[in-house]
Amino acid sequence: GAGVSQTPSNKVTEKGKYVELRCDPISGHTALYWYRQSLGQGPEFLIYFQGTGAADDSGLPNDRFFAVRPEGSVSTLKIQRTERGDSAVYLCASAPSFHNEQFFGPGTRLTVL
Amino acid sequence: AQSVTQLGSHVSVSEGALVLLRCNYSSSVPPYLFWYVQYPNQGLQLLLKYTTGATLVKGINGFEAEFKKSETSFHLTKPSAHMSDAAEYFCAVSDNFSSGSARQLTFGSGTQLTVLP
Repeated sequence: GAGVSQTPSNKVTEKGKYVELRCDPISGHTALYWYRQSLGQGPEFLIYFQGTGAADDSGLPNDRFFAVRPEGSVSTLKIQRTERGDSAVYLCASAPSFHNEQFFGPGTRLTVL
Repeated sequence: AQSVTQLGSHVSVSEGALVLLRCNYSSSVPPYLFWYVQYPNQGLQLLLKYTTGATLVKGINGFEAEFKKSETSFHLTKPSAHMSDAAEYFCAVSDNFSSGSARQLTFGSGTQLTVLP
């Protein structure tokens, strides 16, 4: 079946702009995670959804970052007033439940000029 | 708090040689441990995981890892490297289920494996 998909695959924006990154999880997966992977580093946790609610957003770096999952399926990560330091690959993962294996999407590469 | 240290950001082996990628972890609760592989422009793929029970776990593509609590290690091995094993490998740790946490993964910084012909 279809895996986790993320769009766009690449996003180039200018400093100060607003961006939205989309994640389509595997159908039926209730748990959804966002991670950020900077160059040469491992992924870092940002936020976790169980259903529609953000159960843990402790990894969001500041209030410029926000994520939603209004219908418990697709999730959007929103970044306001982007900074060059936000440049990274943003990964999404989904799982049947929070205690199951996480399946990762290919990521969105964000470049802030 | 949890952390993962992967010794060696780059490892090169000859085709047919033993692969050994090192991972040490720190966790205040009994950990769940994972190895993921990342091929260029692809998502992370789970190789194997340790939750409970047998400390030697076998994964896909001939890889295995052994959980050693006394050494806080979870090193990844494969007896004979293949060209197709060239990729980046990440070790990760999470809380166990009983803590009620979201079970987010904490990753190491990765090891790039090169296989020489």
